[in-house]
Amino acid sequence: EVQLVESGGGLIKPGGSLRLSCAASGFSFSTTWMSWVRQAPGKGLEWLANIKEDGTVKNYVASVKGRFTISRDNAENSLYLQMNSLRVEDTALYYCATDVGRGAADHWGQGTLVTVSS
Amino acid sequence: QSVLTQPPSVSGAPGQRVTISCVGSNSNLGADSSVHWYQQFPGTPPKLLINTNNYRPSGVPDRFSGSKSGTSASLAITALQAEDEADYYCQSHDRSLNIYVFGSGTKVTVL
Repeated sequence: EVQLVESGGGLIKPGGSLRLSCAASGFSFSTTWMSWVRQAPGKGLEWLANIKEDGTVKNYVASVKGRFTISRDNAENSLYLQMNSLRVEDTALYYCATDVGRGAADHWGQGTLVTVSS
Repeated sequence: QSVLTQPPSVSGAPGQRVTISCVGSNSNLGADSSVHWYQQFPGTPPKLLINTNNYRPSGVPDRFSGSKSGTSASLAITALQAEDEADYYCQSHDRSLNIYVFGSGTKVTVL
C-alpha cells in the first residue's frame, strides 16, 4: 500500500524558515517523480514544485521560486521542501504527492499544516 | 486568479447529469497538454478521478468521464448521487509557465 506521510509543519513567524518532510513507502520511490501541492484554508489547490526521479530536474511555481527548495533522498525514501522567507500568504496545508505522469498526482499524503503569523 | 477557469459551483438532482467546465488557453489545454481531474471531500486530500483527459483510475465509477477540445475540458457526472457532493479540480501543464496548474475548483451540490 502506498503511504505518504508529511511532517514538519507548524506555527512560524513571517521571515522564518521551515523544512517539510514526506516519508514514502509502498512503491518505488527512486523511480517516481514527486510533487508538493498546497491548499490555503478554504481555498483551492496550488501546485508548488516537482522533482525528477534522480533529483536532477526541479520546477517551481513563480510564487515560491527562490524561496522554496524541493529535494529528495532516494536512499531514505524521503521528499523535502525547504521553505525560507515565509510569508503570511504561505499559510496552508502542504501535501506531497506522487506523479504518475504528465503531472497527474495519483497518491497524496494527509498534509502538514504551516501557519505563518506574527 | 487561476490559469484554468472553472465555475464556482454546479448543482443537480440525484440521477441527473452535470458537467464541469475547465477553460484554459493556447499555452495549456490548447497546446495539447493533458488534463486531469480530482475530487476532494472536506478535510481529506484530493483523489485522482480522471487521468490524461479521459482515463479513469481503477475504482473510479464509470459515471465519471472526461473530455477535452481545444482550450477547454469537461468533467461529466452522470446519474448524480449524494456521495458525489464534493469539490472538483482540473489540472494541466502550462507550457509558457513550465509548471502544472490547477483550476479554480468547482463545488458540486446534490439537491
